[in-house]
Amino acid sequence: SYELTQPPSVSVSPGQTASITCSGDKLGDKFASWCQQKPGQSPVLVIYEDTKRPSGVPARFSGSNSGNTATLTITGTQAMDEADYYCQAWDSTTGVFGTGTKVTVL
Amino acid sequence: EVQLVESGGGLVQPGGSLRLSCAASGFTFSIYWMHWVRQAPGKGLVWVSRVKSDGSSTNYADSVKGRFTISRDNAKNTLYLQMNSLRAEDTAVYYCAREGLGATIWIDYWGQGTLVTVSS
Repeated sequence: SYELTQPPSVSVSPGQTASITCSGDKLGDKFASWCQQKPGQSPVLVIYEDTKRPSGVPARFSGSNSGNTATLTITGTQAMDEADYYCQAWDSTTGVFGTGTKVTVL
Repeated sequence: EVQLVESGGGLVQPGGSLRLSCAASGFTFSIYWMHWVRQAPGKGLVWVSRVKSDGSSTNYADSVKGRFTISRDNAKNTLYLQMNSLRAEDTAVYYCAREGLGATIWIDYWGQGTLVTVSS
């Protein structure tokens, strides 16, 4: 079965850039999306189709996808960005989520 | 405003059954593919199932295939998940989710979730 691997945790200082990777076999041939989940809340979509931001998502969130790795970048990270982040892709008709990354803003 | 409200969760014994419902509002339910995603306590998100806008096509994760059935009633704007032969490892918060419109697949809205606990 298809797997997506993320680092368990990423730490970043306020105002700095956080990069979260998502690795999977030939992931660049698929479309990746990213969601944010804060404690006790439902997930919220932040990036879809590799690079697109839904309306209402701040421009500091951006995405890329090439080769075997998709990346979510948060530029100018704010305290409110502290959350778990999950990538997602589709292997034929099966959905797959990444293992999740906890972003801590120190 | 898009709203997805799940219900039907609760405590059930191993081997038992449960049916989850998801009431949708704020959008034209009948044109969207819909999903169920679950999250075990303290764990990550796991995709469960997907149903086409008219209910004619469904997909399942291997872990639930043959035990769970996704369906929908577009007249009632409601999504369902029938869960049979439940196991302890099915314990999770179950989220109803909407798929975005387009040529590719992504989830754009999530409900608040309903907790299913499988235990004797």
